[in-house]
Amino acid sequence: KNEVEQSPQNLTAQEGEFITINCSYSVGISALHWLQQHPGGGIVSLFMLSSGKKKHGRLIATINIQEKHSSLHITASHPRDSAVYICAVRSNTDKLIFGTGTRLQVFP
Amino acid sequence: IAGITQAPTSQILAAGRRMTLRCTQDMRHNAMYWYRQDLGLGLRLIHYSNTAGTTGKGEVPDGYSVSRANTDDFPLTLASAVPSQTSVYFCASSRSGTGANTGELFFGEGSRLTVL
Repeated sequence: KNEVEQSPQNLTAQEGEFITINCSYSVGISALHWLQQHPGGGIVSLFMLSSGKKKHGRLIATINIQEKHSSLHITASHPRDSAVYICAVRSNTDKLIFGTGTRLQVFP
Repeated sequence: IAGITQAPTSQILAAGRRMTLRCTQDMRHNAMYWYRQDLGLGLRLIHYSNTAGTTGKGEVPDGYSVSRANTDDFPLTLASAVPSQTSVYFCASSRSGTGANTGELFFGEGSRLTVL
């Protein structure tokens, strides 16, 4: 079993829908990262969080340390949100562990 | 330069050849990393450096070497390329590699390497 699991692996949505991507992990962590990768593109950091909730525009990230779970929400989704979203955790031993990503496609 | 820069963006290489992927950052980050990304797998760490002058092995280090002569540069060398090293390589950096305040991750645009 991977130490970082994302669900779903693939997600399709209509423009305007509310989207949730989940990340569960099995190790103690000091921080969790949400990253975005567009097709053929580089990787961009969206959020780094260690507790609570962060919001940036239409994106919201939450984390529940007790349950070892984080969610990334996208409100009013748009075709330009189509990308692979990657969850990564920094373990308490300073190791960065990546999930395999959630591929999101938003159709107009 | 703004952020983190990789070169080349793409390269086709004959097996057995030596290749160096370059990575430079201008953020004065202490920690730098090299990952490879293969279809169906998460990013896998090849080598890392927590500060200039030090390096460490990741989970897939065989066939690769790195150096960290200064804070800005972290080149990755394939001494004798093999087809299984065909992959997309990402260089990344963060303020620190250890402790509670490691900071955000910054990635380069990636280097697509094909070994024939």
